[in-house]
Order: sequence, then structure tokens, then C-alpha cells
Amino acid sequence: QQPVQSPQAVILREGEDAVINCSSSKALYSVHWYRQKHGEAPVFLMILLKGGEQKGHEKISASFNEKKQQSSLYLTASQLSYSGTYFCGTPDQGAQKLVFGQGTRLTINP
Amino acid sequence: DVKVTQSSRYLVKRTGEKVFLECVQDMDHENMFWYRQDPGLGLRLIYFSYDVKMKEKGDIPEGYSVSREKKERFSLILESASTNQTSMYLCASSDPGTGGDETQYFGPGTRLLVL
Repeated sequence: QQPVQSPQAVILREGEDAVINCSSSKALYSVHWYRQKHGEAPVFLMILLKGGEQKGHEKISASFNEKKQQSSLYLTASQLSYSGTYFCGTPDQGAQKLVFGQGTRLTINP
Repeated sequence: DVKVTQSSRYLVKRTGEKVFLECVQDMDHENMFWYRQDPGLGLRLIYFSYDVKMKEKGDIPEGYSVSREKKERFSLILESASTNQTSMYLCASSDPGTGGDETQYFGPGTRLLVL
């Protein structure tokens, strides 16, 4: 079952913060985050493998709440280069595949 | 540097035509995937393959077939293209992992228009 992302779209000014949520009705074993810039391939950002884990890369970080079956992606002091569509993906239990959310479109304006 | 390539960035075909989309990866990955991407629907899995000559249906396999004769190459076939198959098609590959850590690497996509 597809995880649900919120919001579906967000528009920010450069320097503002954003939070993107990913929720599942099924138990989550891990959460993958990807970013796709316009006209490009989705690119892996990070993976969270266990409940309570937090990770960060530059000013983009994520948390994983296993009990709540959700993950959140935090973009701090956003830059123009952060614009794109963000996807979360969760493994389909027992299979070597991911199920992706519908995506969150992030637009950063100067 | 890991690389997944797709044969075409843009394709225009007519209804009823047979369409081949090719994907090649140079990472010696065992798993390969074909997704369809439509606005508001995210990435939906069409088919995937976890070994040469092996394939499994994804969430939306109807109207599609696949072929994997070599480890590095995974082809998506639209037997008789229809207008509702107009979409962006993305190929990805990954290595088998454990505990859900199979990072996927994506190709640039093929934007298909069926007239």
C-alpha cells in the first residue's frame, strides 16, 4: 500500500524551512528519501533503518518514528537548489522492491 | 560513478504500435525495475526483475511486458500502445540488501507520447 506524503506541494522563499511527512498504514521497517529535480532522474538522499533514527546531509535531515509509522524530512534554510519533488519509499515486506509515496513538490523562490 | 541509461529521452508513437523501452545499468546490480510516473500519482511499479530471465508483476502490469536476457539490460514492451500509456517511464536498479536497505538508482526517464 502506497505511503501518503503531505503536503502535496509547498512554495517557500529562499532561507525558509520546510517539513515533508510520509505516513504508512502498514508497519515501516525502513524509509528511503529521494529527490527529483525537474527533468532529471530521482536521486537517493538518505535511508533510515530503525525507529528513532535521525540522519542529516547538509541542511536536509530526516527522522523515523517507527511507532507512528511515519518519517519526516526537514529542509532548513532552504536554498534554490532544493527545489524539486521529494519522494519517500518504503520496502514491500519480503520483496526486493520499494513502494513510493505520491511525491511532494517543493518550489523555492528567491 | 553508478549509471543507469535509457535508450530515449523522448518518444512519440501512434496508437497500436509496439514500443520498446531499453534500460542498461553498469553496476552489476541484480534487481531492475520499471516505473511509470504521472502527476499526483508518484512512482508506480510496472514490473521488476531480480535475476536474468526472472520477472515479477508490479502494481500496474496491464498492457506491458518485460524482457531481461542479460543482467545489465531490462526492456519494457508496450505490445499495442494506447493513449493512456502516455507517461514518463523510469528505470531503476539495485542490489539485494537486507532489512530494507536496497537503494535504487534511477535512469533519466523516457517521456512517451502516444497519439
